[in-house]
Amino acid sequence: AQSVTQLGSHVSVSEGALVLLRCNYSSSVPPYLFWYVQYPNQGLQLLLKYTSAATLVKGINGFEAEFKKSETSFHLTKPSAHMSDAAEYFCAVSDPTGNQFYFGTGTSLTVIP
Amino acid sequence: NAGVTQTPKFRILKIGQSMTLQCTQDMNHNYMYWYRQDPGMGLKLIYYSVGAGITDKGEVPNGYNVSRSTTEDFPLRLELAAPSQTSVYFCATRDRLTYEQYFGPGTRLTVT
Repeated sequence: AQSVTQLGSHVSVSEGALVLLRCNYSSSVPPYLFWYVQYPNQGLQLLLKYTSAATLVKGINGFEAEFKKSETSFHLTKPSAHMSDAAEYFCAVSDPTGNQFYFGTGTSLTVIP
Repeated sequence: NAGVTQTPKFRILKIGQSMTLQCTQDMNHNYMYWYRQDPGMGLKLIYYSVGAGITDKGEVPNGYNVSRSTTEDFPLRLELAAPSQTSVYFCATRDRLTYEQYFGPGTRLTVT
């Protein structure tokens, strides 16, 4: 089965600073990789996804992620953090069929004013 | 469009009781999923369905059952509630072409 590792369960950045959230997947390349965001007491919303069309993927709210096969990584970045970015972020991968999905344990992002 | 709706929002069960968590979607998606979310553990797949009449187990199916008689509805049944089933439960659909998932608002269940 696929597995996903998110390093750092809590990340704090200052408003305006770079956001970097880390995600590594298990060695076999999954067909699809995703980043989802969860605001308090809500369901998850899609930020962006990788589907092999391009290694640098742009998502909503200024977020982007780069797929690096050599590092088995799909890290999420945003050049300048905003207060509204404070939330929990989940990396997810699909199984080879695309039917099942495996989520990381999440990273809670705090933005300091 | 309501998207994915879940009822109830909150529920407290006693050990050994049973209940059904409801999930309904109006997105006409064939694929539907049930996840549980525990603090620090991310989301774990309980069951999923690729269409009406077809269901399959995910990573953590024990203690749960599902059915899928229509495209719109995918109820999750807990037969004998245990404290280990205290969690937040999310229902989701998946777009057939984009593989993107759409989540409901969740049901917070406490078993005491």
